[in-house]
Amino acid sequence: GAVVSQHPSRVICKSGTSVKIECRSLDFQATTMFWYRQFPKQSLMLMATSNEGSKATYEQGVEKDKFLINHASLTLSTLTVTSAHPEDSSFYICSARRGQGFQETQYFGPGTRLLVL
Amino acid sequence: DAKTTQPNSMESNEEEPVHLPCNHSTISGTDYIHWYRQLPSQGPEYVIHGLTSNVNNRMASLAIAEDRKSSTLILHRATLRDAAVYYCILRDVIGGGSQGNLIFGKGTKLSVKP
Repeated sequence: GAVVSQHPSRVICKSGTSVKIECRSLDFQATTMFWYRQFPKQSLMLMATSNEGSKATYEQGVEKDKFLINHASLTLSTLTVTSAHPEDSSFYICSARRGQGFQETQYFGPGTRLLVL
Repeated sequence: DAKTTQPNSMESNEEEPVHLPCNHSTISGTDYIHWYRQLPSQGPEYVIHGLTSNVNNRMASLAIAEDRKSSTLILHRATLRDAAVYYCILRDVIGGGSQGNLIFGKGTKLSVKP
């Protein structure tokens, strides 16, 4: 299957700092990427949809000024958690959409575990 | 809100078949049935998807009820590596926009005993 990578896989930062997470589709171009967040023992929650060359679409309740998304190219999307606080500690997972119609599939990255002290 | 209903957990013995059920009584004509699984501390992994007909691939089989209100993911021989949370998700690929987004429910946690 297609490969989606994330970097870093794990990050620890101090409260108030900003953290950038990169998501790359390694062997296909993705016009649409997605960012999810998952708290312990909970399911994935969609945060935003990232479209190449346009502004991201955020889900209700997700602060766009806090979670900055940039889809710089067809293979790269970044999520920046600005002024991170302990409650932002979570498992962040990106996903990239490949194909169209019935063949359309989403491939997920391995996730980035963020711990804010 | 998730439009599917799955049991919270299931147990299986290694090398035996596993049937993971999913109810989706409000499925629309343009909803595809997708299955993903998530191993501990990893991102979800695509398993299989279908529309009306049963589907097979190297990972699993998907059996879809004739009225499409339910489906079953079949792992033919469970291994310890199949222990994961399995998500059944409806996805409207025709409607476009946010209707095509994957929205995860709670899924079924599958445990595999040696």
